[in-house]
Amino acid sequence: QKEVEQDPGPLSVPEGAIVSLNCTYSNSAFQYFMWYRQYSRKGPELLMYTYSSGNKEDGRFTAQVDKSSKYISLFIRDSQPSDSATYLCAMPNTGGFKTIFGAGTRLFVKA
Amino acid sequence: DTEVTQTPKHLVMGMTNKKSLKCEQHMGHRAMYWYKQKAKKPPELMFVYSYEKLSINESVPSRFSPECPNSSLLNLHLHALQPEDSALYLCASSQDQVGGREQFFGPGTRLTVL
Repeated sequence: QKEVEQDPGPLSVPEGAIVSLNCTYSNSAFQYFMWYRQYSRKGPELLMYTYSSGNKEDGRFTAQVDKSSKYISLFIRDSQPSDSATYLCAMPNTGGFKTIFGAGTRLFVKA
Repeated sequence: DTEVTQTPKHLVMGMTNKKSLKCEQHMGHRAMYWYKQKAKKPPELMFVYSYEKLSINESVPSRFSPECPNSSLLNLHLHALQPEDSALYLCASSQDQVGGREQFFGPGTRLTVL
């Protein structure tokens, strides 16, 4: 079993839709959770960073962590074609020396 | 300045060539990373430098040789690469290697080995 599981998609939605991206993880010791956005042929860009459980909102983006279920989510409201990218969840492993990435979900937002 | 820069953007090399990739950051970060990313896959960690010392080598073949000349610079020297080494090479930095630090990525160097 992988430490971090993420559905690679692709996920295709119409403009204006609410998008839900999810990851599950197996190690209950993980405490920090990140979402990166990666446009085609570019480096990943840090989008959201959360510690422990709860919600964090930044504009149209909301990151949610449920440590009891070992489940994290990223919600995008009023999705735009410019949101079309690959979204990677990531979390530092125990000890923090390495970051474990999910497989990345490819999102397409159609105008 | 919150940017990680990488040069060159693209590199094509033969299997007998020697080339270097460069990475620079001026955020005062003391941990720097090299990742390799194949198409439609997540980044794969190769090396980590912490306070200019190599702290992690993920069993990378010796044809890849990292170097950290100072706290702002990171190089990756390439020699006798194979076609399967063609990938996007990403540099990243973080404040330090303490657990939970966010990593900031550069735009990558797209390497093609002929």
